[in-house]
Amino acid sequence: AQKVTQAQTEISVVEKEDVTLDCVYETRDTTYYLFWYKQPPSGELVFLIRRNSFDEQNEISGRYSWNFQKSTSSFNFTITASQVVDSAVYFCALITGTASKLTFGTGTRLQVTL
Amino acid sequence: EAGVAQSPRYKIIEKRQSVAFWCNPISGHATLYWYQQILGQGPKLLIQFQNNGVVDDSQLPKDRFSAERLKGVDSTLKIQPAKLEDSAVYLCASSLDREGEAFFGQGTRLTVV
Repeated sequence: AQKVTQAQTEISVVEKEDVTLDCVYETRDTTYYLFWYKQPPSGELVFLIRRNSFDEQNEISGRYSWNFQKSTSSFNFTITASQVVDSAVYFCALITGTASKLTFGTGTRLQVTL
Repeated sequence: EAGVAQSPRYKIIEKRQSVAFWCNPISGHATLYWYQQILGQGPKLLIQFQNNGVVDDSQLPKDRFSAERLKGVDSTLKIQPAKLEDSAVYLCASSLDREGEAFFGQGTRLTVV
């Protein structure tokens, strides 16, 4: 069975603060893929990043960075110097080699205020 | 490149009526997903197609929901008869293969009254 847990339901920060969204996953497979998606108020899910289980290298893309740690089964997402446009619901998701179905966490709502 | 197209965007029906949603995936994408997203929750997979074959439909309420993907391209999702608890956004997504990133359409917001 595969599972994704996002313990933070809602986070509020003031613009320019850094914020980290947590994601913990469960799977017995050795091959799997992790994803982050953003869902702004308009409702469309926007793909942010995909990582495979064999690549633990952290990744940075502009103000976004991702920390993948197999030892703790975590794939956390950090936004540096947050902006109001970052306000959205963020979902972590998982595909395993066995199940091959994209399973989402419950999401974290990020509110960035001025 | 055109994205995933869904129609209609909004639909309001009475309980016990039937409704159908349409999805046109990104050209060349073999995998197609239908998700149900109830307000405040994460998307729940209803059915996954690989080309025109079903990979997973374990969470599809088969007594009232059906889906097909003829010719491995477009797909339709039908609900008959609808219940109040079916009120949700129905999202279609496609990916190149079963392990690739999925790209989502804008969704269909269904309200059952």
